Amino acid sequence: QVQLQESGPGLVKPSQTLSLTCTVSGASISSGVYYWSWIRQHPGKGLEWIGYIYYSGSTYYNPSLKSRVNISVATSKKQFSLKLTSVTAADTAVYYCARIVEWYFDHWGQGTLVTVSS
Amino acid sequence: QSVLTQPPSVSGAPGQRVTISCTGSSSNIGTGYDVHWYRQLPGTAPKLLIYGNNNRPSGVPDRFSGSKSGTSASLAITGLQAEDEADYYCQSYDSSLSGFYVFGTGTKVTVL
Repeated sequence: QVQLQESGPGLVKPSQTLSLTCTVSGASISSGVYYWSWIRQHPGKGLEWIGYIYYSGSTYYNPSLKSRVNISVATSKKQFSLKLTSVTAADTAVYYCARIVEWYFDHWGQGTLVTVSS
Repeated sequence: QSVLTQPPSVSGAPGQRVTISCTGSSSNIGTGYDVHWYRQLPGTAPKLLIYGNNNRPSGVPDRFSGSKSGTSASLAITGLQAEDEADYYCQSYDSSLSGFYVFGTGTKVTVL
């Protein structure tokens, strides 16, 4: 079955770059049917879409985060990655990777908590 | 940043029917974009519950149903069970500068 798994540091210092990777299994990241996305959830809050990437490398980001976000894909490794620069405490959240099909998120990773603190 | 509004909480006794509303605007639901629903159990990732307004993925019981009208959508849960106690989120697509994918504010369902 389709599985997504986030990995990366759980603690990042303010002003540094948050880097996470999502590894996909049970599905082809190169399929033209899907987009691959990052979503975050601040503690006790709702969900915020960060952006997505297509297997070709084309991306689209939430305008509110666009200046600080970069999503890349490594199809041979079945991975896609998130980089968020100049982080502050407001970026502390659980980060999820998810698969998009036809405008909705059909599979999600388990999520990883990233805390921004010195 | 949520542009879809949901009631913070709803509750019901086991066996009862509850509904969750999701109110959007002319730049998302009102434009005709589909609404999708997710259930998030405590400490876990959201899971797709309804897609395309009223379609259930394989494995989701028919106790869950969705509907959409105008700038709003609703999720109905019939025969409420203890395991339905969770957070529920609606999601759609927005054509304004808010970004493509938008989520609702979330609703906590409590089984009394």
